[in-house]
Amino acid sequence: RKEVEQDPGPFNVPEGATVAFNCTYSNSASQSFFWYRQDCRKEPKLLMSVYSSGNEDGRFTAQLNRASQYISLLIRDSKLSDSATYLCVVNPPIIFGKGTRLHILP
Amino acid sequence: NAGVTQTPKFQVLKTGQSMTLQCAQDMNHEYMSWYRQDPGMGLRLIHYSVGAGITDQGEVPNGYNVSRSTTEDFPLRLLSAAPSQTSVYFCASSPLGQGDQPQHFGDGTRLSIL
Repeated sequence: RKEVEQDPGPFNVPEGATVAFNCTYSNSASQSFFWYRQDCRKEPKLLMSVYSSGNEDGRFTAQLNRASQYISLLIRDSKLSDSATYLCVVNPPIIFGKGTRLHILP
Repeated sequence: NAGVTQTPKFQVLKTGQSMTLQCAQDMNHEYMSWYRQDPGMGLRLIHYSVGAGITDQGEVPNGYNVSRSTTEDFPLRLLSAAPSQTSVYFCASSPLGQGDQPQHFGDGTRLSIL
């Protein structure tokens, strides 16, 4: 079975700190990669796609390492509102990681 | 700007009852899918469809049926509900054949089987 692995956490991080998540995948044929955010009792929502050259969206930076088959998400200057579960997704086939819980502490 | 709409949002069933979870999208997406999410298990794919008239099984299809008579609708049927099917169910859709397209999720249906 193709797998996507994430550290389940929780990561308890003080407000303003930088936090990094990694996600490893087993299917070398995967072509598309995403990070989703899921708040408690809500649906997953796309945070950002992950491109081969790496990409940044404000405080969020995503990177892809095809050789080692992992993707990463970096959150700088973390806010209380960043508290959520972060899911990595690879495709094809579409497989969701189980998510990493993040708690930002005031 | 509806996106993906799931109904109902909450449902309680008795063991052995049947019901249909509804999912509709207004984005003309070819790909639609159903997931269940359980604590500690992440999202698991139940069934998916790549277009009207085409459906296929995902990781955990047993106990569920689907059909795709139109592009817009992708209902999920529980034939004879079991307590193990207590879960949160999400429907999702995305375009096909346009590179790396992410999925759009509905709000979810919280289902309890007694």
